[in-house]
Amino acid sequence: QVQLQESGPGLVKPSETLSLSCTVSGGSISDSYWCWIRQPPGKSLEWIGYIFSSGSTNYNPSLESRVTMSVDTSKNQFSLNLNSLTAADTAVYYCARYFRRSPFYYFDFWGHGVLVTVSS
Amino acid sequence: DIQMTQSPSSVSASVGDRVTITCRASQRINKYVAWYQQRPGRAPKPLIYATSSLQSGVPSRFSGSGSGTDFTLTISSLHPEDFATYFCLQADSFPLTFGGGTKVEIK
Repeated sequence: QVQLQESGPGLVKPSETLSLSCTVSGGSISDSYWCWIRQPPGKSLEWIGYIFSSGSTNYNPSLESRVTMSVDTSKNQFSLNLNSLTAADTAVYYCARYFRRSPFYYFDFWGHGVLVTVSS
Repeated sequence: DIQMTQSPSSVSASVGDRVTITCRASQRINKYVAWYQQRPGRAPKPLIYATSSLQSGVPSRFSGSGSGTDFTLTISSLHPEDFATYFCLQADSFPLTFGGGTKVEIK
């Protein structure tokens, strides 16, 4: 059973950069797509982007100018950097596996989530 | 972007009731629609993928259907543990987008 665990700061200042990591256990990070998804308090979910284990990425255009994702296969980890933070970036951030084998496309395994608050 | 309009935003129901939740896509999409259940303070849990395929371990009272622009999640008989918020996801094209959510509350 694949398990994911997010790690990173719970409080970040406006204009700074958020850095989160997701550690995958119970399976290899190779040959899979890995995503970041966020959920502002009381609101719905927003897909931030994915990174394939080879390093190729696809970002949501709404965040693309501020997002960078990376992967470290030796550590079974992938990461998210989101810069120029504002209060609107306050949310629970989830990492998830994007199962992508036709005709099945969906997020099948999720981390528990980490609440990130942007405040001075 | 494909918008997923989910309705209703909330529903009050009793144990044993049948509940239907709908997502309408802003354009015709293939069957790459999934449904998730989220309890307070927890990550979303997959229920249905590819419109109608039941995720392993999910009870058979959950079912999905639909095509074109209209997709539905049905809970045939509500159990106490089903009171939660439900989201749809379209994975037909990028950016992937979710519906606004439906909160199923106890009447």
